[in-house]
Amino acid sequence: QSVLTQPPSASGTPGQRVTISCSGSRSNIGGPYVSWYQQLPGTAPKLLIYRHTQRPSGVPDRFSGSKSGTSASLAISGLRSEDEGDYYCAAWDDSLSGRVFGGGTKLTVL
Amino acid sequence: EVQLVESGGGLVQPGGSLKLSCAVSGFTFSGSDMHWVRQASGKGLEWVGRIRGKGNSDATAYAASLKGRFTISRDDSKNTAYLHINSLKTEDTAVYYCNGRYGDSTEEFDYWGRGTLVTVSS
Repeated sequence: QSVLTQPPSASGTPGQRVTISCSGSRSNIGGPYVSWYQQLPGTAPKLLIYRHTQRPSGVPDRFSGSKSGTSASLAISGLRSEDEGDYYCAAWDDSLSGRVFGGGTKLTVL
Repeated sequence: EVQLVESGGGLVQPGGSLKLSCAVSGFTFSGSDMHWVRQASGKGLEWVGRIRGKGNSDATAYAASLKGRFTISRDDSKNTAYLHINSLKTEDTAVYYCNGRYGDSTEEFDYWGRGTLVTVSS
């Protein structure tokens, strides 16, 4: 049972906009250090979003992050077949004094 | 070019121990926090722990469920981080990734190795 709750799956057709949610608490999502990762099949995770909304250099602006209270969201617009993979939210949890990951959301591009 | 290369994985018997290494190049290792994250086959990411970079307090932190059997250390002279695992259990079977992270008030950097597979089995 993950501390951060994500839907197990999401899907969309090419060109659509898809949103993945991540629900937590004040001690994790409520803090400033929330990240989103993409893990394509057979590869290591790749940072997509940090500090809720910031994109590292090289990440397309099709990917965006947001926060509302103790929930965070990752939006992917202009969906492409190469976006198919697993997506994880992560945050530092002040109560646990450790980093926590969501259970992951498998994105399928139909 | 940034590179993180994990090594030391393999087949280990239950109750045994293992030391994984993560050799880093291409970014400032001494100032970076080094995390270890594991992933069992077909499962999600699980944070193991981290050791902070030079100049930071609270040097090590571990997942509460794993505390006691896992020890993270680093040798800044060799640009290498380590994960020592004692009393291995079958449920420790996973790919172990090292993850280097650093940032300032405006930006964060986050790099991952390809992982090393640890299999605990008799």
